[in-house]
Amino acid sequence: DAKTTQPTSMDCAEGRAANLPCNHSTISGNEYVYWYRQIHSQGPQYIIHGLKNNETNEMASLIITEDRKSSTLILPHATLRDTAVYYCIVRVGGGSEKLVFGKGTKLTVNP
Amino acid sequence: DVKVTQSSRYLVKRTGEKVFLECVQDMDHENMFWYRQDPGLGLRLIYFSYDVKMKEKGDIPEGYSVSREKKERFSLILESASTNQTSMYLCASSPLSYFTDTQYFGPGTRLTVL
Repeated sequence: DAKTTQPTSMDCAEGRAANLPCNHSTISGNEYVYWYRQIHSQGPQYIIHGLKNNETNEMASLIITEDRKSSTLILPHATLRDTAVYYCIVRVGGGSEKLVFGKGTKLTVNP
Repeated sequence: DVKVTQSSRYLVKRTGEKVFLECVQDMDHENMFWYRQDPGLGLRLIYFSYDVKMKEKGDIPEGYSVSREKKERFSLILESASTNQTSMYLCASSPLSYFTDTQYFGPGTRLTVL
């Protein structure tokens, strides 16, 4: 997997948008950007993924820069339950390869 | 919604016991995985399976075995539990797809071996 760089921690006020950045300057043309999160003592949860275009689902939006070297995960209205470690991963689509999580960003949503 | 369930959230066993961890997914996924997660070490793949009765070793298979007799069920077996197998065990499944291999995780089993 290509290497990703994320800030160690971020804070966000409840009800505001949380914007989590990720750098992946060595991403290859066939690699997708995936985001997962892990709430304390629970299994990781898939959030969203994309290749080139921006993506949105019921949980979040993913903005990928035109050169694909960085991306931003946006939680539009953060709640206390969004407090978690967020992992940005780049990997080739298809196949059955293991997931490799880096250190991720610890997002704390404050009341 | 994809659902991956694991047989126990918390488990306490004694050294030398045989331990069975069960995982069931309800989305007809071909691929299933067993990971363990330890502080500072991240996720480590123990075994995975891409079809019924098929299995492949991951990075740390020693001391573990697996069984996949049905597509929806993937079992992890600790033949003789040891204290260094105290960990969070995570099961995941993913569909067979050329374009994406999103893995969906269960809630995890926190195993303590005394």
